[in-house]
Amino acid sequence: EAEVAQSPRYKITEKSQAVAFWCDPISGHATLYWYRQILGQGPELLVQFQDESVVDDSQLPKDRFSAERLKGVDSTLKIQPAELGDSAMYLCASSLSSGNYNEQFFGPGTRLTVL
Amino acid sequence: GNSVTQMEGPVTLSEEAFLTINCTYTATGYPSLFWYVQYPGEGLQLLLKATKADDKGSNKGFEATYRKETTSFHLEKGSVQVSDSAVYFCALSEEYGNKLVFGAGTILRVKS
Repeated sequence: EAEVAQSPRYKITEKSQAVAFWCDPISGHATLYWYRQILGQGPELLVQFQDESVVDDSQLPKDRFSAERLKGVDSTLKIQPAELGDSAMYLCASSLSSGNYNEQFFGPGTRLTVL
Repeated sequence: GNSVTQMEGPVTLSEEAFLTINCTYTATGYPSLFWYVQYPGEGLQLLLKATKADDKGSNKGFEATYRKETTSFHLEKGSVQVSDSAVYFCALSEEYGNKLVFGAGTILRVKS
């Protein structure tokens, strides 16, 4: 069964360092999402791509976060510099398209700890 | 803006007990409603969905009915099993763009 792949699964870093997370969506899925899930809360959308274009990054802290999906397939989310408050689970999801009712399939997530 | 509120946990039940997890929402337009489940160490999985008022979503013995008049989408199961222990998230999908808005999640623990 096709799955969304993410790496690394766990990352520990010190504040002010740079970190990067990678996501490979299900083959053929045009829409890719990055969510942040703080402990005890539900996931919150950071950025949504349609193919290689960003369609929603309204909740992305653009002073330190960046995301790209250069060829419209896999994607990288970067934080530079990391802050203590960035400790969270970062989830990637994909769907066939961005139309409503399109099921989003989630990867296992990357758990980030900032010391 | 759109939001989802679900009952706080943890909810602790004995095996074969009846489960209800309350979920209410605030949204403009006509959102779709979802329940996702997250097992320990795994990503979120879609459990069930409903796309219009009075629709009932069901899967693996779980059910939820889209109630527009009470803006609710409560999750129910008649007889829980230990394997149902997980975190359950209620979510809505905005009418355009497929963005998901999640509740805070409810931890369910089922004892044998």
